Amino acid sequence: AQSVAQPEDQVNVAEGNPLTVKCTYSVSGNPYLFWYVQYPNRGLQFLLKYITGDNLVKGSYGFEAEFNKSQTSFHLKKPSALVSDSALYFCAVRDPRNSGNTPLVFGKGTRLSVIA
Amino acid sequence: KAGVTQTPRYLIKTRGQQVTLSCSPISGHRSVSWYQQTPGQGLQFLFEYFSETQRNKGNFPGRFSGRQFSNSRSEMNVSTLELGDSALYLCASSRQTSGLTDTQYFGPGTRLTVL
Repeated sequence: AQSVAQPEDQVNVAEGNPLTVKCTYSVSGNPYLFWYVQYPNRGLQFLLKYITGDNLVKGSYGFEAEFNKSQTSFHLKKPSALVSDSALYFCAVRDPRNSGNTPLVFGKGTRLSVIA
Repeated sequence: KAGVTQTPRYLIKTRGQQVTLSCSPISGHRSVSWYQQTPGQGLQFLFEYFSETQRNKGNFPGRFSGRQFSNSRSEMNVSTLELGDSALYLCASSRQTSGLTDTQYFGPGTRLTVL
């Protein structure tokens, strides 16, 4: 069965510093991977996804993520954090080997706090 | 283009009551999925509808049900509410042109509180 782990419940970073939010996955085949962000009292906003091709994926708001098959990771990164990036971040996976339209499986989420 | 809309945004019910939540997908999107979000369990998949048919169902009791209309709008119903049903219920829509690679776009959610 597919699963996602976000090993850090909370990440704190100073404004202007680079940020990384970690995600590892467990899928039998090549995964489809997604990152979403959730602001207070809001739904999830799509940031980026990896389907195939270049391991470095660029997304919204200056975020990017690197797919690493050998480490089964898909860490979210941003070169320079903003206070407005403070939110809850979710990694999600789909196993393309499953038949039909399987749902997204989400990690528990990582709360990012960017300190001015 | 308007995003996914969910109504109502907030709801307070008492145990034993039933509730119906509504979701209008992005125009042109034919698939609607529902998720339950709680602090303890995180995001859990409830069910997915496509062309008025339930295509996938998560591990929730039969008290949770849904349907989709011909215009792709969807409703979910929870009967005999329990305290543990208090959660943020999120609806997501996708085009369903690419299947598994499609991006799901989420609405703002309905915050259900059961007293």
